[in-house]
Amino acid sequence: AQSVTQLGSHVSVSEGALVLLRCNYSSSVPPYLFWYVQYPNQGLQLLLKYTTGATLVKGINGFEAEFKKSETSFHLTKPSAHMSDAAEYFCAVSDRGAQKLVFGQGTRLTINP
Amino acid sequence: GAGVSQTPSNKVTEKGKYVELRCDPISGHTALYWYRQSLGQGPEFLIYFQGTGAADDSGLPNDRFFAVRPEGSVSTLKIQRTERGDSAVYLCASSSRQSTDTQYFGPGTRLTVL
Repeated sequence: AQSVTQLGSHVSVSEGALVLLRCNYSSSVPPYLFWYVQYPNQGLQLLLKYTTGATLVKGINGFEAEFKKSETSFHLTKPSAHMSDAAEYFCAVSDRGAQKLVFGQGTRLTINP
Repeated sequence: GAGVSQTPSNKVTEKGKYVELRCDPISGHTALYWYRQSLGQGPEFLIYFQGTGAADDSGLPNDRFFAVRPEGSVSTLKIQRTERGDSAVYLCASSSRQSTDTQYFGPGTRLTVL
């Protein structure tokens, strides 16, 4: 069975600093990989996804993630944090051809002024 | 265009009661998914519909949980004999035939079982 591990349930950075949210997955074959963001009292919004092709994926709001097969990782980064980035972030995987998403526990990102 | 909508947004019920949660997917989306998100956890898959049929119901925790999608659009998640452990946010998502790997989520229904 697939699983996702997000290191750090809470991450706090200063405004303007680098954001790094870690995600590792377990899978026998390269899966599809996703990052979702959840703002308070709102639904999950897709930030970016990797399915095939270029391993560095750019998403909305200046976020990007790199698929590293050798490390089974898909870490999310943003060069400069904004106050509006404060939210819960979820990494998810799915089998190629399967539809259900398996989510990590989530990382709550706090931005300090 | 309109996104995925879910009703009610909040539902409070008593232990042992029956509840129905409704999901309206994005118009034209053929696939529909239900997930459950407990406090402090990531969403957990419950069931997935392709059209009217349940393609994968492996996430339903027990036979108290049932979902239908009779016309291939709106779906209803039904929970019988609710238990306090059923309290969670129930999320619905849909995806199109052209982009099956991208799921669009609704705002969820917060279920509280007293």
